Amino acid sequence: GENVEQHPSTLSVQEGDSAVIKCTYSDSASNYFPWYKQELGKRPQLIIDIRSNVGEKKDQRIAVTLNKTAKHFSLHITETQPEDSAVYFCAASTREYGNKLVFGAGTILRVKS
Amino acid sequence: DSGVTQTPKHLITATGQRVTLRCSPRSGDLSVYWYQQSLDQGLQFLIHYYNGEERAKGNILERFSAQQFPDLHSELNLSSLELGDSALYFCASSVDLELNTEAFFGQGTRLTVV
Repeated sequence: GENVEQHPSTLSVQEGDSAVIKCTYSDSASNYFPWYKQELGKRPQLIIDIRSNVGEKKDQRIAVTLNKTAKHFSLHITETQPEDSAVYFCAASTREYGNKLVFGAGTILRVKS
Repeated sequence: DSGVTQTPKHLITATGQRVTLRCSPRSGDLSVYWYQQSLDQGLQFLIHYYNGEERAKGNILERFSAQQFPDLHSELNLSSLELGDSALYFCASSVDLELNTEAFFGQGTRLTVV
């Protein structure tokens, strides 16, 4: 079935620097790739998503890029702030064995002030 | 507030027992997904229901079962509980089947098996 790999597992950056998290997926039919942010003890919340007909999407300090040929997508956060500290999950939709959203293992982002 | 309601928020129970977790999706959402998040773990997909029908299964144990009712709320039943079942259980809902739109998560039910 669909496998989503996410790297790195932890990432520490200085406030104001950029952070990049990368994911790869296995199902070539996947066409929807959301990114979720989860703060400690809270629910995951969508921060940005991209569909397969688009190569890049940006929303203020957050951007996502998608390379369908290589089957990988990345989250870019610029000008990081302490409140960006959280766990970030990438995900990919798949229709293998039914419709589901498969998540990567998560990246703990720490922004040091 | 995502509009997805999960009850209870916390549940403590003994090994061998059975519990039921409840999820009410956002108004108008037909899809409900259940995920398990163990300590320091990612979101493990359990099962997906769409408009009352099971549409996908993940690594869900045989001791676990779920259903979606005509009013679209869903229940996840966990039986013969083991210590390792302690986790945060999330449900999420979305409007469609094709997974092209945002899935909204509830606040989760924290299950502790003692």
